[in-house]
Amino acid sequence: GAVVSQHPSWVICKSGTSVKIECRSLDFQATTMFWYRQFPKQSLMLMATSNEGSKATYEQGVEKDKFLINHASLTLSTLTVTSAHPEDSSFYICSAVGTSGISEQFFGPGTRLTVL
Amino acid sequence: KQEVTQIPAALSVPEGENLVLNCSFTDSAIYNLQWFRQDPGKGLTSLLLIQSSQREQTSGRLNASLDKSSGRSTLYIAASQPGDSATYLCAVNRNNDMRFGAGTRLTVKP
Repeated sequence: GAVVSQHPSWVICKSGTSVKIECRSLDFQATTMFWYRQFPKQSLMLMATSNEGSKATYEQGVEKDKFLINHASLTLSTLTVTSAHPEDSSFYICSAVGTSGISEQFFGPGTRLTVL
Repeated sequence: KQEVTQIPAALSVPEGENLVLNCSFTDSAIYNLQWFRQDPGKGLTSLLLIQSSQREQTSGRLNASLDKSSGRSTLYIAASQPGDSATYLCAVNRNNDMRFGAGTRLTVKP
């Protein structure tokens, strides 16, 4: 089946620093990747949609200058949390859609970000 | 805007019971509906995906149904086991716009 990986699986950083999270599709090419955020005991909320070679589309209320998304290849998308603050601490999950045209998203294992 | 609701929010049952988790959505124009399992601190495990043209899908002890016209889906778990304890999420998908419910936290007691 389609496998999506994320790196790192967890990260702890100081307030004010930037953190980059990678999302890779391992055995398929992903034209579109999605980034979600999940706060404790809450559901997943879509942050942005990332299309290879073009700018990401952000959901309402998500700051594009704070959450930088780069989808430079068909197998890699990165999310950079710039000038992270404690309120950015969350579980970040990516998903990817393949080029087959079938509308099914394959999810990564998530990255736990803790900002001190 | 699509809204997805899951009832109950939490459920505790003794081992061996059959149980039903409910999911409802407000916009019936969907491509598919998917049920996921999430263990604490972990990512999502896809359980069943039902295309909009389908009525149900089965995998082992799990059976998911979809009534698109009424905006409802159920996940039936037969002969529950302690290992089934997790949070179950349903998500509806339209043109890759995927919306999640808040989940049902299931505890199966030995």
